[in-house]
Formats: sequence, C-alpha cells, structure tokens
Amino acid sequence: QQQVKQSPQSLIVQKGGISIINCAYENTAFDYFPWYQQFPGKGPALLIAIRPDVSEKKEGRFTISFNKSAKQFSLHIMDSQPGDSATYFCAAASSPLSGGYNKLIFGAGTRLAVHP
Amino acid sequence: EAQVTQNPRYLITVTGKKLTVTCSQNMNHEYMSWYRQDPGLGLRQIYYSMNVEVTDKGDVPEGYKVSRKEKRNFPLILESPSPNQTSLYFCASSTSRSSYNSPLHFGNGTRLTVT
Repeated sequence: QQQVKQSPQSLIVQKGGISIINCAYENTAFDYFPWYQQFPGKGPALLIAIRPDVSEKKEGRFTISFNKSAKQFSLHIMDSQPGDSATYFCAAASSPLSGGYNKLIFGAGTRLAVHP
Repeated sequence: EAQVTQNPRYLITVTGKKLTVTCSQNMNHEYMSWYRQDPGLGLRQIYYSMNVEVTDKGDVPEGYKVSRKEKRNFPLILESPSPNQTSLYFCASSTSRSSYNSPLHFGNGTRLTVT
C-alpha cells in the first residue's frame, strides 16, 4: 500500500518551461511534506519542505503548493533548466509520538528531463 | 567535509554469500537509517537506529540485519542474499529523530546485484 502517490513517473520539459510534479496522500496525520532531489549517481538531498499551516512555499525557482482539503501537494519548477534534470521524490511524515520518531514516507519518484 | 560514506559503491555477488555494506557518517548524528530504492517503488526503509545499540525494523526488514555499536557506523548485513535483494541501497543520517528539525543526509548509494 503506497501511502504517498506520486505522478507522473517521468516528465520531459523544454528549457524555460514549467515542471509540475504531483503527490497525494491519505493519512491525515501527515504534517510535514518535503521534496528530495536526486542526481544520477548521488543520494537524495532535501530540496524544499512545507508544513500544512501554509498553502505555498517558494524558494527561488522551486515552489510547493499544498491543498490540505484535497490531501495533495505539488512541486513547481519555474524556468526549468537542464541542470534540474534529476529524480524528484515527495515525502510525508507525521508528528513523532513521545520517545518515537517521525518516519518519512516517500513517493515513487519522478524522473525529470529538461531538454535544451 | 560533512558526509555519509557507503562502501562499496557497486557489488555483484551470488545467492547465499554473506555480505556487508558499510556506512559511516562524520556529523555526530544520532539517527541513521537504511533504504532501498527500486523503480516504481521509491525509497523504502529497511532498518533504522535512533542511537548506539538502539535499532528497529523499517518497512522491508526481511533478509537484512543491522548493528549500531558506534555512533558513526551503521553496517547493513545480508546473511544469505537472494536475487530479490538486487537493488540500490542508501544509508542516511540526521541529527534528530524528527524530520522537522533536521533533513536526512544520504550517502551516494550501493548498487547490489545478486545472481
């Protein structure tokens, strides 16, 4: 059972275009939604994250949009560049119980290719 | 340089031959974890450790063992590897058990092939 559903599986965008990757979740206890970026031959690295008290977070060309009622969140990459070509993972976590920890649940990943 | 180091990067082995993938971090992180990455399945947690001598199962622990005898090291052990364990493995660490306070730092991965 995939708790975080990510789409599309792959995406091709022309340089300068907008890349959009979507994720949906079921568990209403999730309250932290990060995106990780992975380049070939490397491990994932945190790109940007959002909590549900805001509907949007922007860092440079990267924006997370969050829709709490629809239980969906998305990553938008404006003015996409060939250097953005990577695999992107959305993830979700819930507040840790006392003494516990909040495990990240990852989506299946989206392979983005930005063509020059 | 702060990093998580995994070895080896590539490993080809045969069914049943015990192997160990090492993971070491130089950031004094308490929390460490192992993931496997498979196409269409994303990153799935195998085992995690919240501190020395404290380990617990993740989502897909079958066929794997771990140990945490030192804070910096968290090896992954496959006692009797099988072809379904062919995958890309990642070790990760963070300062805190809470994702809010500290992102996961991943190693560069170990690509394992079991024939």
